[in-house]
Amino acid sequence: GENVEQHPSTLSVQEGDSAVIKCTYSDSASNYFPWYKQELGKRPQLIIDIRSNVGEKKDQRIAVTLNKTAKHFSLHITETQPEDSAVYFCAASIGNMLTFGGGTRLMVKP
Amino acid sequence: GAVVSQHPSRVICKSGTSVKIECRSLDFQATTMFWYRQFPKQSLMLMATSNEGSKATYEQGVEKDKFLINHASLTLSTLTVTSAHPEDSSFYICSAWNTRGGYEQYFGPGTRLTVT
Repeated sequence: GENVEQHPSTLSVQEGDSAVIKCTYSDSASNYFPWYKQELGKRPQLIIDIRSNVGEKKDQRIAVTLNKTAKHFSLHITETQPEDSAVYFCAASIGNMLTFGGGTRLMVKP
Repeated sequence: GAVVSQHPSRVICKSGTSVKIECRSLDFQATTMFWYRQFPKQSLMLMATSNEGSKATYEQGVEKDKFLINHASLTLSTLTVTSAHPEDSSFYICSAWNTRGGYEQYFGPGTRLTVT
């Protein structure tokens, strides 16, 4: 089955700096790659996603890049704000089956 | 649109009892729903895939006789934790996949189960 690795597990940045989270996946059949933000005790919230036929997607301060050949994708958050502090999960999907990465705890220091 | 609800949001039960958690898609039909378990500071782990009108598909290591799943309609799936033990205490989250296709799964708000 699919295996998704996510790094780093924790990330601390200063407010205004950029944050980058990286994921790799194992199954080349994966074709959909969502990123979720989860606050404590809450549901995962989709923040951006990318399909396998696209290399990059941007939504305001958030961007995702995908390298299908290398089987890795990354989340980029620019101009970080304290409210960006949360746990972020990447995932890879084959059909409608999601496999999650281990998560990254992002802390943005004011 | 695309709202998924879960009930209850929190439940405390005694060891040996059973607990039922409901997952509903409020404004769309979902032939497929998923049940995840999330332990503190860990990722979401898929427990089972629930298909309307058929038996659920369980992931390796998940006991089907302990975690009973029923998906009797296109908008409701239930997870029953039978003979609960303290190690079953966790955050249980469901998600639903829209019958009309697309890629996105819509997550419920989760149920915090504590077994004493």
